[in-house]
Amino acid sequence: GAVVSQHPSWVICKSGTSVKIECRSLDFQATTMFWYRQFPKQSLMLMATSNEGSKATYEQGVEKDKFLINHASLTLSTLTVTSAHPEDSSFYICSARNDVNEKLFFGSGTQLSVL
Amino acid sequence: GESVGLHLPTLSVQEGDNSIINCAYSNSASDYFIWYKQESGKGPQFIIDIRSNMDKRQGQRVTVLLNKTVKHLSLQIAATQPGDSAVYFCAEALRGQNFVFGPGTRLSVLP
Repeated sequence: GAVVSQHPSWVICKSGTSVKIECRSLDFQATTMFWYRQFPKQSLMLMATSNEGSKATYEQGVEKDKFLINHASLTLSTLTVTSAHPEDSSFYICSARNDVNEKLFFGSGTQLSVL
Repeated sequence: GESVGLHLPTLSVQEGDNSIINCAYSNSASDYFIWYKQESGKGPQFIIDIRSNMDKRQGQRVTVLLNKTVKHLSLQIAATQPGDSAVYFCAEALRGQNFVFGPGTRLSVLP
């Protein structure tokens, strides 16, 4: 149990286009999900906290209009990188907190490359 | 919570030896702690967790020790195997909120 599915795992896009990343908790409900960015050989950097049915909470320095988060159900949160630019290229990871036991589980990550 | 990016410290151990990975956490009120393993190009994988009312918890080949006095968490891996090579992160949380991650330690298992 406790599987978090993140899709796609790898995406290459042209500069100026938008990319949507999905994060699903497959066998538990998650009112709260988190989105992170990770640079090579570095730790996770929290971007935003996604709450089902309400607006996401963004960390300082993260543009909410650039990184749109939607958490429309207890098992799905999406991150859309709008008008992507090469500097948005990174490894994006989601996590979902189990509503029952509060354990945090991670998706497999999405490698975004913007040309 | 967030973790600022840093160059990862590295721990090298011989295959078959025991590994001990340490983590200092920041909030004395944190009541929940987790260890994750992250392999290259993958998301972090849950290894083991411990709540603040315990000081030791064992899993399969892994043991987590919690010392609240000095705000220290450690992960012990018995009989380290090549497949254990990865980056290991600790995380602390308070009432299931604000998970804060450590900088990570890279474990290299030598043949």
